[in-house]
Amino acid sequence: QVQLVQSGAEVKKPGSSVKVSCKASGGTFNRYAVSWVRQAPGQGLEWMGGIIPMYGTTKYAERFQGRVSITADKSTSTAYMELNSLSSEDTAVYYCARDLARTISGTTYDWFDPWGQGTLVTVSS
Amino acid sequence: DIQMTQSPSSLSASVGDRVTITCRASQSISSYLNWYQQKPGKAPKVLIYAASSLQSGVPSRFSGSGSGTDFTLTISSLQPEDFATYYCQQSHRTPYTFGQGTKLEIK
Repeated sequence: QVQLVQSGAEVKKPGSSVKVSCKASGGTFNRYAVSWVRQAPGQGLEWMGGIIPMYGTTKYAERFQGRVSITADKSTSTAYMELNSLSSEDTAVYYCARDLARTISGTTYDWFDPWGQGTLVTVSS
Repeated sequence: DIQMTQSPSSLSASVGDRVTITCRASQSISSYLNWYQQKPGKAPKVLIYAASSLQSGVPSRFSGSGSGTDFTLTISSLQPEDFATYYCQQSHRTPYTFGQGTKLEIK
């Protein structure tokens, strides 16, 4: 059973960058997409973007376009999310999640399962 | 972007109650709707995918219904471990979007 294990908490200065890793253990995620979702303190869930490791293709939410980069290393089954030009508004828990898919009656549906444990990124001067 | 709106935002209920949470999409998303449960300090966990399919290992007291723009998550008989926050999420098109969440509290 695949588990996603993320890197540890980070404290960053405004204007800097952060790179969070997400490693699949007990399997690989290469044939599925991996998404990154963040959650600001006390707030809801926000999809940032995703990657299909097998092809390296990425999609990003428009509000993060140009500021986020999602990459993957197939050899180690590890995905990365790098966010630049950090501000206090980027303080959040960042989750990776496998984008699992299944075909039901000829239609393919996808959902996030499993999720990593989350990585708290604190941006403070 | 497709906007997802949940109601209510919070709900107080007792063990054994039947509870329904609704989710409305700003445009038709067919059955591309998932439900997650999140407990404090933990990652979300999928309960229902494709609007009505129960994820393996999830108790049968959870059920989902709907298609198009209107969806519901029903818990038939609340258990103590069900008190959590619930989110709907559309997977019809990117950017994937979530509802704002429904916090289910003990009455």
